[in-house]
Amino acid sequence: EDQVTQSPEALRLQEGESSSLNCSYTVSGLRGLFWYRQDPGKGPEFLFTLYSAGEEKEKERLKATLTKKESFLHITAPKPEDSATYLCAARDTGGFKTIFGAGTRLFVKA
Amino acid sequence: NAGVTQTPKFQVLKTGQSMTLQCAQDMNHNSMYWYRQDPGMGLRLIYYSASEGTTDKGEVPNGYNVSRLNKREFSLRLESAAPSQTSVYFCASSMGSLTGELFFGEGSRLTVL
Repeated sequence: EDQVTQSPEALRLQEGESSSLNCSYTVSGLRGLFWYRQDPGKGPEFLFTLYSAGEEKEKERLKATLTKKESFLHITAPKPEDSATYLCAARDTGGFKTIFGAGTRLFVKA
Repeated sequence: NAGVTQTPKFQVLKTGQSMTLQCAQDMNHNSMYWYRQDPGMGLRLIYYSASEGTTDKGEVPNGYNVSRLNKREFSLRLESAAPSQTSVYFCASSMGSLTGELFFGEGSRLTVL
């Protein structure tokens, strides 16, 4: 069964304290691993797409990496405005069914 | 640039009532989707429309129907609402299956009493 699992469920950091969020996936034929950011009361906002193991993408303080079984979202020197829920999702070879993890709620304290 | 627009943003129903959630996108996307989001669970796909004129079931379609009215609009209907359908509903769109990123609306919070 296709599955996406994120850990930890919640992460509390001090401003400037770097850390990583984990996403483990089991999908038959990966056609893209996605990261989204979701602010309270809002819809998810697209961050990154990774297609193959070894691929990395960066945006400001965020860096996403992909292996054959996992993806990591590294947050370097986070700021309070990085506080949000980060969602990981995997798309299978069918193309239209994107499976989401439950998310990691990130809190960054000043 | 509106992107994906959902209405209504909030709705309270009584068990057995019906309602339709509306969604429209202005990005000329081919594919549209309806998801529900519940606490502690990931977004779950209810129905999707790969292109105008087609609709298909997702992971949790029971109790819902959809209509792809045209390329821009995709509606979700609850014929007889149940408390288990209390959730936040998100409409999303994408260019197609090959360009996977989804663009989401702001969500519709539905409570069924």
